[in-house]
Amino acid sequence: DAGVIQSPRHEVTEMGQEVTLRCKPISGHDYLFWYRQTMMRGLELLIYFNNNVPIDDSGMPEDRFSAKMPNASFSTLKIQPSEPRDSAVYFCASRDGGRASYEQYFGPGTRLTVT
Amino acid sequence: QKEVEQDPGPLSVPEGAIVSLNCTYSNSAFQYFMWYRQYSRKGPELLMYTYSSGNKEDGRFTAQVDKSSKYISLFIRDSQPSDSATYLCAMRQASNTGKLIFGQGTTLQVKP
Repeated sequence: DAGVIQSPRHEVTEMGQEVTLRCKPISGHDYLFWYRQTMMRGLELLIYFNNNVPIDDSGMPEDRFSAKMPNASFSTLKIQPSEPRDSAVYFCASRDGGRASYEQYFGPGTRLTVT
Repeated sequence: QKEVEQDPGPLSVPEGAIVSLNCTYSNSAFQYFMWYRQYSRKGPELLMYTYSSGNKEDGRFTAQVDKSSKYISLFIRDSQPSDSATYLCAMRQASNTGKLIFGQGTTLQVKP
């Protein structure tokens, strides 16, 4: 399996622009997670889905952030409008809920810089 | 106060040293405890997990959980330069099948 795939790997944008991050989970995994990682705050869970349904979005920082999972093989995280404080590495992770409940598989991350 | 506290370091040790990494937590409902390793510019990867209290050993790595003290540890014996990475503890409740709470991560450098 190719693992969790994220695109783009790097994104540089100007404040106020819309940013869309993409994720393809591992085939067969029914949980999908979006995280944000910064030096100051560490790894924070933003939102997670189970069977394409959002379960917990309490970590989404504000209304500028939105996430969708239209099908089992694709999810997006959108920031509109973007701000410099959104600069971080964004990770997508997936898990097979039918197996051991501890292991999440992370993608390589998208490094976002908002200038 | 964060639910999970972890000293970010950095921690620098000579090759061959024994390394001790620790996390404390406040939520007594946590039942699953994990350690993830993250190399520079990569995503975290699961290193070890423990359910409830006790020890677990895997090669040079030992994970310990002390629920009475709300304290978990990861020990690395005979540390190698390839162990240089950030180590994140993570934990979750038994009742919540999805949500992991991560520590901030400790950056470890093993010098040859």
